[in-house]
Amino acid sequence: AQSVTQLDSHVSVSEGTPVLLRCNYSSSYSPSLFWYVQHPNKGLQLLLKYTSAATLVKGINGFEAEFKKSETSFHLTKPSAHMSDAAEYFCVVSVKNTGNQFYFGTGTSLTVIP
Amino acid sequence: GAGVSQSPRYKVAKRGQDVALRCDPISGHVSLFWYQQALGQGPEFLTYFQNEAQLDKSGLPSDRFFAERPEGSVSTLKIQRTQQEDSAVYLCASSLNRGLGQPQHFGDGTRLSIL
Repeated sequence: AQSVTQLDSHVSVSEGTPVLLRCNYSSSYSPSLFWYVQHPNKGLQLLLKYTSAATLVKGINGFEAEFKKSETSFHLTKPSAHMSDAAEYFCVVSVKNTGNQFYFGTGTSLTVIP
Repeated sequence: GAGVSQSPRYKVAKRGQDVALRCDPISGHVSLFWYQQALGQGPEFLTYFQNEAQLDKSGLPSDRFFAERPEGSVSTLKIQRTQQEDSAVYLCASSLNRGLGQPQHFGDGTRLSIL
């Protein structure tokens, strides 16, 4: 079975400080992992993806994530938060045997304090 | 280029009415997915199409939910005899093909409210 656990439902950081959003996954097969961002009343925008190539993945807007198989983690980081980063973030796992169906975490709401 | 387009953006219906939600995927995308997102939750899978074939409908919560994609492009999600628990945002996504690691591109969703 596949599942995703986002360890924090809310994260609050000051503008200019680092961001860490934590994600752990469970998968019976080699997974693909994604991070998406959702701004209020908008659809989901892809930030980055991991598909068994380099374990450190760079995405848009300065975000990065590192795949750690031993820890079954895929945490999202950014060195310096901007006000525009305030949004809901979803960690997603998909596996081949389920037709690339996406399994979402429950989301982490990021607040950026000026 | 154009992204995934969903209509209407907002739909209010009375309990017991039927509703139809439309999704226009990105041109040329073979795979199409529907998800249901309850308030404060992550999206949950409803159903999946590859071209016009509905290959997985395991996430549809009841037989009141029906989806189609007759010509392999536009898709419609229909909910019959709506109930209050159907209130949610319905998201449509498309991807180029079914390959592992293909990102899904999402529309802005339809927010359905059942009174």
